[in-house]
Amino acid sequence: KQEVTQIPAALSVPEGENLVLNCSFTDSAIYNLQWFRQDPGKGLTSLLLIQSSQREQTSGRLNASLDKSSGRSTLYIAASQPGDSATYLCAVTPEDSGGSNYKLTFGKGTLLTVNP
Amino acid sequence: NAGVMQNPRHLVRRRGQEARLRCSPMKGHSHVYWYRQLPEEGLKFMVYLQKENIIDESGMPKERFSAEFPKEGPSILRIQQVVRGDSAAYFCASSPQGGNSPLHFGNGTRLTVT
Repeated sequence: KQEVTQIPAALSVPEGENLVLNCSFTDSAIYNLQWFRQDPGKGLTSLLLIQSSQREQTSGRLNASLDKSSGRSTLYIAASQPGDSATYLCAVTPEDSGGSNYKLTFGKGTLLTVNP
Repeated sequence: NAGVMQNPRHLVRRRGQEARLRCSPMKGHSHVYWYRQLPEEGLKFMVYLQKENIIDESGMPKERFSAEFPKEGPSILRIQQVVRGDSAAYFCASSPQGGNSPLHFGNGTRLTVT
């Protein structure tokens, strides 16, 4: 059974700092890995999706890496801003999903607070 | 183009009552997915529906829970005889097609069972 763990559970940083969020998964047979953002009382917004054959994806100040064999992913946020404050979720899709994105296994998330 | 609409945003039910959660997918989306986020837990997949069909219900509890997506109207997640352990945030997502189409999530319904 796939388990996804995110460390740390909470992180507080001053504005402008670069930071790294960690995600690990127990079963390396994944199809892809996604990072989501969840704001309080809101739904999830997909930030980055990495296919199992890829090593990293970048979008603006965000960079996600994937080491499938070791079961790890990191989300790097450069020059953090107060608007980045949210919960960041990592989720994996199993290799036997047939390419379907919906059967995600989520971590519990990292609550990020960026202080002005 | 409105996003995925879920209502109500908050729902309070006493033990033994029924809860009905509604989800209207984005315009043009015919695939709907329900997830549950229990307190201190990650989101978990419950069920995947297309219009008038249940495609995958492998994540649904065996009893008291049911879901439908009729030809007309929103998708409904129904929980009969609610218990305190049903208290959670229930999220709906939609996509225009199945496969690897990106999912668009609603803001969720927070169910509290007293």
